[in-house]
Amino acid sequence: DTGVSQDPRHKITKRGQNVTFRCDPISEHNRLYWYRQTLGQGPEFLTYFQNEAQLEKSRLLSDRFSAERPKGSFSTLEIQRTEQGDSAMYLCASSFVPGLEVTEAFFGQGTRLTVV
Amino acid sequence: QKEVEQDPGPLSVPEGAIVSLNCTYSNSAFQYFMWYRQYSRKGPELLMYTYSSGNKEDGRFTAQVDKSSKYISLFIRDSQPSDSATYLCAMSARGSYIPTFGRGTSLIVHP
Repeated sequence: DTGVSQDPRHKITKRGQNVTFRCDPISEHNRLYWYRQTLGQGPEFLTYFQNEAQLEKSRLLSDRFSAERPKGSFSTLEIQRTEQGDSAMYLCASSFVPGLEVTEAFFGQGTRLTVV
Repeated sequence: QKEVEQDPGPLSVPEGAIVSLNCTYSNSAFQYFMWYRQYSRKGPELLMYTYSSGNKEDGRFTAQVDKSSKYISLFIRDSQPSDSATYLCAMSARGSYIPTFGRGTSLIVHP
């Protein structure tokens, strides 16, 4: 499978615990995005990496969130001291930018987080 | 006002109907336009990608972009029950390339 891979698919955690998600992008893609999606809403941008550099963070990304992409390959998203409001689907996407006119993003299946 | 507006529906149509899904946007810098299909509890799947104004066709799907009106559409011909899903429009600007999404339209195709 050469698509975007996310792990785990589901995570249930108690409030206050830390959680970490992993994303493996399509191998030749240089850009990696993290999005959050809640029920009935479209994906909301959190942050992105161009190779290993984290270039932009949304205001949605509070201090409890941290993302890394060591060596420009896979990425991790950590949430510290989880709150019930963090319950959502966390989506990872990758793309090749700048392509010629081809810059579309491909998504993984997401990690569904439930904070109890 | 959100940058990308999309009616959440639901839109219910009989099998075989032509479906029209639409989004409007306010950011004139958007130049890349995408449509994704998302089944329940799954990640979004890219359906169509367009770079410029005009039409692009792929099988039963046609994407239409009107930059002058800041309006994009996705048409589905001969709709099938398997097309029942949420359809998300997304768009990005040159330089940024970060997709900004609408909230999605829920489509139900009943036999």
